[in-house]
Amino acid sequence: QVQLQESGPGLVKPSETLSLTCIVSGDSISRYHWSWIRQPPGKGLEWIGYFYDTGSTNYNPSLKSRVAISVDTSKNQFSLRLTSVTAADTAFYYCARERSHTVDCAFDMWGQGIMVTVSS
Amino acid sequence: QSVLTQPPSASGTPGQRVTMSCSGSSSNVARNTVNWFQQLPGTASKLLIYDNDERPSGVPDRFSGSKSGTSASLAISGLQSEDEADYYCAVWDDNLGGVLFGGGTKLTVL
Repeated sequence: QVQLQESGPGLVKPSETLSLTCIVSGDSISRYHWSWIRQPPGKGLEWIGYFYDTGSTNYNPSLKSRVAISVDTSKNQFSLRLTSVTAADTAFYYCARERSHTVDCAFDMWGQGIMVTVSS
Repeated sequence: QSVLTQPPSASGTPGQRVTMSCSGSSSNVARNTVNWFQQLPGTASKLLIYDNDERPSGVPDRFSGSKSGTSASLAISGLQSEDEADYYCAVWDDNLGGVLFGGGTKLTVL
């Protein structure tokens, strides 16, 4: 059974870099497209970006200048880096898997989420 | 700016049928498939409907999806107390070149 588990610091200082990792177990990370999605407390979901099975990436234009998603196939995990964070980046961060090879945001597997607070 | 609009709330009594809408535009709902997610309180989201009207394995047939033009709908029949959750639609937007989520509908089972 495929499982996703986010890890990383729960507290990041303003202007610093948020770094999270999603460990994938139960299947090869190379077979799918992967995304990061976030949700500010009490608010809706926001797509952050994709890492495609081809090795390319696609980011939300609103975050594009600050975000990077990468994959480490040797560890079967993928990562998120978000630079120059502010309080507006405080949110639950989820990693998720695209259901098929078609990129159509049908995220069928999700991590449990990790709360990241931006505060000094 | 591309937006997916969902009503903020919906409600029903046990056994009832409820529907909720997801309104988009020609750059998203009209051209691409719509997905629906259920988020139970304090948990991650779960894929409920994909490709407009397909149910993943394990999702009860009480849940159904449809799409017409620039709008999509999620229907829940035989409403149960455990259906109380937030429901989000999501679709690829050609103008954005990425994923749009609706603002979510909070379903209350009275």
